[in-house]
Amino acid sequence: KAGVTQTPRYLIKTRGQQVTLSCSPISGHRSVSWYQQTPGQGLQFLFEYFSETQRNKGNFPGRFSGRQFSNSRSEMNVSTLELGDSALYLCASSLRLAGRYNEQFFGPGTRLTVL
Amino acid sequence: DQQVKQNSPSLSVQEGRISILNCDYTNSMFDYFLWYKKYPAEGPTFLISISSIKDKNEDGRFTVFLNKSAKHLSLHIVPSQPGDSAVYFCAATTGGTSYGKLTFGQGTILTVHP
Repeated sequence: KAGVTQTPRYLIKTRGQQVTLSCSPISGHRSVSWYQQTPGQGLQFLFEYFSETQRNKGNFPGRFSGRQFSNSRSEMNVSTLELGDSALYLCASSLRLAGRYNEQFFGPGTRLTVL
Repeated sequence: DQQVKQNSPSLSVQEGRISILNCDYTNSMFDYFLWYKKYPAEGPTFLISISSIKDKNEDGRFTVFLNKSAKHLSLHIVPSQPGDSAVYFCAATTGGTSYGKLTFGQGTILTVHP
């Protein structure tokens, strides 16, 4: 079974631009969560999508947004990029079955550099 | 406010010995805990998890212990192998409406020497 895939793997942008990152979950997984990893803040939760609806949101400004499509693929968008947005962006998918917790499985991440 | 803390930034162990990685949490609403391993330039890999209704879970060389009264969990790796060298993160979730939200510790760098 293919794992979580993320595209692109590396991205360089300049301040003020916007960027869109893509995540394809493991087949059959319906929940996609996004995380930001930086040396200073560690791994921080951005948001979770399930059945095309945002279910949870972390403490990030409104410049960070996302969406999920009917095939469970998800995109996240960052507008008006700032230098501090340079990070590894990870997405994770899970089955999200009712009644028990289902572990999240991570993709390789997208390394975003803002110049 | 860091709700999940890994107080040891690094740990060095000899091959064949036991590695013990520790994690403390402050949020009593956490009801599910996980350990992930991460190599550079890769996403975290799920290792093992434990529900708050248990105090121990074993999977091969990996055992996770949970002490709810102390709000402490630990990961034991026996025997340690050089391939275990990586960054280890503990994570926790409250489940329910926060199902998809994991709160991570800062990570512990494990180095296993041959």
